[in-house]
Amino acid sequence: GESVGLHLPTLSVQEGDNSIINCAYSNSASDYFIWYKQESGKGPQFIIDIRSNMDKRQGQRVTVLLNKTVKHLSLQIAATQPGDSAVYFCAENRGTGNQFYFGTGTSLTVIP
Amino acid sequence: DSGVTQTPKHLITATGQRVTLRCSPRSGDLSVYWYQQSLDQGLQFLIQYYNGEERAKGNILERFSAQQFPDLHSELNLSSLELGDSALYFCASSVATGYEQYFGPGTRLTVT
Repeated sequence: GESVGLHLPTLSVQEGDNSIINCAYSNSASDYFIWYKQESGKGPQFIIDIRSNMDKRQGQRVTVLLNKTVKHLSLQIAATQPGDSAVYFCAENRGTGNQFYFGTGTSLTVIP
Repeated sequence: DSGVTQTPKHLITATGQRVTLRCSPRSGDLSVYWYQQSLDQGLQFLIQYYNGEERAKGNILERFSAQQFPDLHSELNLSSLELGDSALYFCASSVATGYEQYFGPGTRLTVT
């Protein structure tokens, strides 16, 4: 399948620190990317998106960076809070009108 | 609350049985997606409907089928259930293909 969920990367950060979650994508035709947050027992929740004509987009406490040269996407969370503890997924859309492909996910744990 | 509703929240059934999962998209969204999330496969796209018509198929088994009704709600039918079908099933909706998807709370299916 397109999503490999065998090994979930983990990241632990101290409360108040900044977090950086990374995602690599493989298809150079991908033109739209979304970061989702999934808390235990809940569905994925939209956080922020970015289109391929941009390299940076900021939201409230979150920033997404897109490096098309190396096909890399990152999510930066400023002043991480305990409520940010969740699994974070990146999703790529491989061209207009196509379905989204989800990455493996990264588990973020915030230490109070 | 994403605005996407799914029923039932939990479902326990036996192997060989058939179940129907129901999804109501956000108001105004025409596109509905179904995903399966299991521990060893991550988030897998199953199928997409747009305004009543099938638009894209992913890793959906032949034992599974779906449809979208004129009122835009969707149902996912799972038949001849096997133990390996135990998973979380999510529905998501979007205004159109290629736009951000909003996920429902999921249905947890346990096949015994």
